[in-house]
Amino acid sequence: EAGVTQSPTHLIKTRGQQATLRCSPISGHTSVYWYQQALGLGLQFLLWYDEGEERNRGNFPPRFSGRQFPNYSSELNVNALELEDSALYLCASSLAGTSGASGELFFGEGSRLTVL
Amino acid sequence: GESVGLHLPTLSVQEGDNSIINCAYSNSASDYFIWYKQESGKGPQFIIDIRSNMDKRQGQRVTVLLNKTVKHLSLQIAATQPGDSAVYFCAENMSGNEKLTFGTGTRLTIIP
Repeated sequence: EAGVTQSPTHLIKTRGQQATLRCSPISGHTSVYWYQQALGLGLQFLLWYDEGEERNRGNFPPRFSGRQFPNYSSELNVNALELEDSALYLCASSLAGTSGASGELFFGEGSRLTVL
Repeated sequence: GESVGLHLPTLSVQEGDNSIINCAYSNSASDYFIWYKQESGKGPQFIIDIRSNMDKRQGQRVTVLLNKTVKHLSLQIAATQPGDSAVYFCAENMSGNEKLTFGTGTRLTIIP
């Protein structure tokens, strides 16, 4: 069974540009989570999508946005890139929003975004 | 605000010895805790979880202890192996929140 897949693996952008990252959850999972992991730091919660809707949002500015498609895959968009946006962006999936209640998050390998 | 912190950023253990990784959390309302392992270049992987109605849970070579009185969580790894070398994160959640809060992580190095 395929795990969570993310693309691209690496992405290099310059300040002010926009980045789009993609995530495909495990088959059967309807919830997708996005986390930012800056170098040497922990995971910071960004967004949670379930059944196509944004359910929760972390403490990030509005230029971080995303969406979830009918097939449950998801996109994370970062507009007006800043140097401090350089990080590993991790996507995770779970069964219908059960991460906090009874289940684990299954993470992808991440997309490393570098902003020059 | 919420925070989950780790006491030690790095830990080196001789292969075969036991290791203990500690974690402090600040949200007394948190009722679900997870330990994740992140190897270099990979995403975090679930190790073990525990609910607030328990104080100990055991898995294969791993044990998680929860002390709600002092808001402390620990991960014990028995008979460490080279493959245990990784960064370990604790994470906390509160029922209904659906947002895991992760700590900074502890880098565990197993010395052959």
